[in-house]
Amino acid sequence: DGGITQSPKYLFRKEGQNVTLSCEQNLNHDAMYWYRQDPGQGLRLIYYSQIVNDFQKGDIAEGYSVSREKKESFPLTVTSAQKNPTAFYLCASGQGKDYNEQFFGPGTRLTVL
Amino acid sequence: KNEVEQSPQNLTAQEGEFITINCSYSVGISALHWLQQHPGGGIVSLFMLSSGKKKHGRLIATINIQEKHSSLHITASHPRDSAVYICAAYNNNDMRFGAGTRLTVKP
Repeated sequence: DGGITQSPKYLFRKEGQNVTLSCEQNLNHDAMYWYRQDPGQGLRLIYYSQIVNDFQKGDIAEGYSVSREKKESFPLTVTSAQKNPTAFYLCASGQGKDYNEQFFGPGTRLTVL
Repeated sequence: KNEVEQSPQNLTAQEGEFITINCSYSVGISALHWLQQHPGGGIVSLFMLSSGKKKHGRLIATINIQEKHSSLHITASHPRDSAVYICAAYNNNDMRFGAGTRLTVKP
């Protein structure tokens, strides 16, 4: 089946540790996105990539890093520099004119202890 | 003020009721999305519209470009409709999300 997978669904880390969240898609989409969701707030864009080997910062990129070495994969690293990393992280991929149709993964809930 | 505002924040209804969720946006858009987020967190796209009205089953989405307002209607609501409904305004590869409306439909 075509779709977007994120793993793991739940992730626990100690403060000060870097952690990498996985996002894979087999939809052959060029564009991929990482969003963060906090209670009572809309999704906020962390990073996005419109093509392999290229990515751009979103609204809240500080403390995060990404790579796009393959079309199918867009991993997100939450570094120790991110002051408030506990959140729900959603990955999406896009198609259509200007990639305006986005398909979302199931999300990863990260808790930093 | 957020660029995309939804109302109400929370909505509780009895099964069978007609539901309306509202979305107002202050940015220019090329498309307006309605998304459904299930309790487990996964998000499903319901509608993408840039004018007029779209219908899918019991769901109807409308948009008024001049007033920068969109509504999502659910007819004959059912407990399985319980979810968070999110409005998102898209323009020039930039998506702005509302905070969501949490809908609970009681049997």
